[in-house]
Amino acid sequence: QKEVEQDPGPLSVPEGAIVSLNCTYSNSAFQYFMWYRQYSRKGPELLMYTYSSGNKEDGRFTAQVDKSSKYISLFIRDSQPSDSATYLCASRTYNTDKLIFGTGTRLQVFP
Amino acid sequence: GAVVSQHPSRVICKSGTSVKIECRSLDFQATTMFWYRQFPKQSLMLMATSNEGSKATYEQGVEKDKFLINHASLTLSTLTVTSAHPEDSSFYICSARSGTGGVPGANVLTFGAGSRLTVL
Repeated sequence: QKEVEQDPGPLSVPEGAIVSLNCTYSNSAFQYFMWYRQYSRKGPELLMYTYSSGNKEDGRFTAQVDKSSKYISLFIRDSQPSDSATYLCASRTYNTDKLIFGTGTRLQVFP
Repeated sequence: GAVVSQHPSRVICKSGTSVKIECRSLDFQATTMFWYRQFPKQSLMLMATSNEGSKATYEQGVEKDKFLINHASLTLSTLTVTSAHPEDSSFYICSARSGTGGVPGANVLTFGAGSRLTVL
């Protein structure tokens, strides 16, 4: 079993839709949870960074962590074609920089 | 914000040759950098942790004699793929710790744009 599981998609939505991206993880020691956006042939760009359970909002993006169910979510409101990219979730424990990534979900937002 | 520059962005080489990839932190010092590898439709996998002035720490299953890492200064780490073979063709990405992102105890990693290696 992979430590972080993510549906690879692709996920195709119309412009303006609310997008829900999800990951599950198995390591209960994970404390930090991140979402990265990766455009084709580019390095990942940090979108959201949360610690432990709870919600975090930044503009159109909301990250949610439920440690009881080991579930990580990213919501994108009013999605735009420019949001089309691969979204990677990542987690790590408290005392390490080693990030464990999901496989990424490819999102396409069409006009 | 923090920027990590990676060079070259794309390289094609013949089997058996060695290739060097550079990773630079442009506006901050990075005592620690990380090298990842990403195969198509797969997740990023950490290969090694590069520490300035000391030996790199390699993940299990990564050959340290094949993937040579040198972190000679606070802004530069290099990865050399020695005697490259077609199975080494991949997307190599470096990252560096660039701050806390406002989260207590957090270590935010900034990634470079990646280097696509194709070994013929």
